[in-house]
Amino acid sequence: KQEVTQIPAALSVPEGENLVLNCSFTDSAIYNLQWFRQDPGKGLTSLLLIQSSQREQTSGRLNASLDKSSGRSTLYIAASQPGDSATYLCASTGFQKLVFGTGTRLLVSP
Amino acid sequence: DTEVTQTPKHLVMGMTNKKSLKCEQHMGHRAMYWYKQKAKKPPELMFVYSYEKLSINESVPSRFSPECPNSSLLNLHLHALQPEDSALYLCASSQDGAGSYGYTFGSGTRLTVV
Repeated sequence: KQEVTQIPAALSVPEGENLVLNCSFTDSAIYNLQWFRQDPGKGLTSLLLIQSSQREQTSGRLNASLDKSSGRSTLYIAASQPGDSATYLCASTGFQKLVFGTGTRLLVSP
Repeated sequence: DTEVTQTPKHLVMGMTNKKSLKCEQHMGHRAMYWYKQKAKKPPELMFVYSYEKLSINESVPSRFSPECPNSSLLNLHLHALQPEDSALYLCASSQDGAGSYGYTFGSGTRLTVV
């Protein structure tokens, strides 16, 4: 059974810092890896999708990498802003199922 | 249209009520999902519809009844719920049943059972 863990569980940084969120999974036979953002009480917003044949994806200040052999993915956020404050969830995709990580709650202070 | 639309956004219902949650997408996605999320926890899968057929039921109590009238619409019928069913209910869709191109989520329905 796939288990997905995210470290750290919570992170508080001043505005402008570069930061890395970590995601690890137990079964390397994943299909894709997707990163989401969730604001309090809201739905999930897709940030980046790394398909099985890819090693990384970039969108603006966000960069996500995937190393299936080691069971790890990282989300890099450059020049963090207060608007980046949210919970970040990674999810491994298998057939018809997403397995979510435990989440990282990020607070960026002005 | 690149959105999954969920209605209502908020719902308060008594334990004897019958209500329905609605989810709609017009992206041509052929798989649709219901997830339940409790506070400070990740979403948990409830049901999967693939090509309008129920393909996964994660042992959800029968007081939750899903329905997929067509490829764009997904309903969740609620009856005789318990206070512990209060949660954020999320709908999602994917282009195919394997999620090859990722998943798109709606903004959720916040359900409170009193």
